[in-house]
Amino acid sequence: GAVVSQHPSRVICKSGTSVKIECRSLDFQATTMFWYRQFPKQSLMLMATSNEGSKATYEQGVEKDKFLINHASLTLSTLTVTSAHPEDSSFYICSATPGQGSSYGYTFGSGTRLTVV
Amino acid sequence: EDKVVQSPLSLVVHEGDTVTLNCSYEVTNFRSLLWYKQEKKAPTFLFMLTSSGIEKKSGRLSSILDKKELFSILNITATQTGDSAVYLCAVADSWGKLQFGAGTQVVVTP
Repeated sequence: GAVVSQHPSRVICKSGTSVKIECRSLDFQATTMFWYRQFPKQSLMLMATSNEGSKATYEQGVEKDKFLINHASLTLSTLTVTSAHPEDSSFYICSATPGQGSSYGYTFGSGTRLTVV
Repeated sequence: EDKVVQSPLSLVVHEGDTVTLNCSYEVTNFRSLLWYKQEKKAPTFLFMLTSSGIEKKSGRLSSILDKKELFSILNITATQTGDSAVYLCAVADSWGKLQFGAGTQVVVTP
């Protein structure tokens, strides 16, 4: 159980365009999803917390107008990188949890490698 | 300020050796500590620890948490080349947010 699917796994886009990344919980309802970013040889940094039916909470230094998060259902959260620039190139990973008290731990999606050219 | 510190940052061992990885933390509203293994892609869940002093085991891997001293260790016995990876420690707070350490790069040579 506790499978999280992330799509696409890899995307290359031109500078100035927008990219949407999807994160789905396949066998459980995820009241909360988290979006992380990982630069090469660095650890995962939390970008934002996405709660179903409410606005996402962004970490300090993360531009909410640039990284749009939508969590419209209990199984799907999307991250849209708007007006992407080369410095946005990174590995983006989502994780999901059914909520507090779950024994699943925190399951990660397979990640999306974004390259902006 | 909350922080999660892993040590060492990297190590190289020979197959068959035992490895001990350390994770210390200072996190407000601690809920649990998690260990992950990361190879080329997304992290793979290893353990979640919430209670002090109770060892969790999975094959050659084991982990334990000390909530008084605020640290955890991950042990890997009889290492194999397939154990080569970055091992990440993360602490979850009561809101479910994970804060990660920098990771320990483990290289197991034949």
